[in-house]
Amino acid sequence: NAGVTQTPKFQVLKTGQSMTLQCAQDMNHEYMSWYRQDPGMGLRLIHYSVGAGITDQGEVPNGYNVSRSTTEDFPLRLLSAAPSQTSVYFCASSYMNMGTYGYTFGSGTRLTVV
Amino acid sequence: KQEVTQIPAALSVPEGENLVLNCSFTDSAIYNLQWFRQDPGKGLTSLLLIQSSQREQTSGRLNASLDKSSGRSTLYIAASQPGDSATYLCAVCQAGTALIFGKGTTLSVSS
Repeated sequence: NAGVTQTPKFQVLKTGQSMTLQCAQDMNHEYMSWYRQDPGMGLRLIHYSVGAGITDQGEVPNGYNVSRSTTEDFPLRLLSAAPSQTSVYFCASSYMNMGTYGYTFGSGTRLTVV
Repeated sequence: KQEVTQIPAALSVPEGENLVLNCSFTDSAIYNLQWFRQDPGKGLTSLLLIQSSQREQTSGRLNASLDKSSGRSTLYIAASQPGDSATYLCAVCQAGTALIFGKGTTLSVSS
């Protein structure tokens, strides 16, 4: 049981490049979400999904796209990377009965945009 | 809008001391509250989850309490050890939203 797997662990991009951060979970969780963590700002929600085919925006969605074609995968796409997107990105998943079960987090992707 | 505050932002204690980390939230309509540990450069590890109907949860030397009416939670660490040094994050879960995090308390335990 791998839990939540994020790839890559580290990435350096040039301004304007695009890339996809991968997130996969093997716990059959309905709910998946993406956060970014910045010094002094804590973790902020980017996008989330309550099931395959359903996504919605969080607190800081600009510059990011998501899709959820399967229960297991929830990739995060940076369309045109900017230095302001330098951050650590975490993916998380949960059963929809999250009041009982709580969240499981991946180990993170450290992204630097130069 | 829900806001989560953690006090203190940083804490240094000698090994063996008992300590309390505080978390407060502004909206009491929550499903649960979860405490996480984060080591430098690492991901988040769930420590304790308290459902809205519960008052406390215990795991080993850790005890977390929840007072929904006052919007407060505490994480009690007994007999602290250098290995407890990390950042501790508090997060609340509300209907229709994802987790809302505090900014964390960075704990340093010296031997």
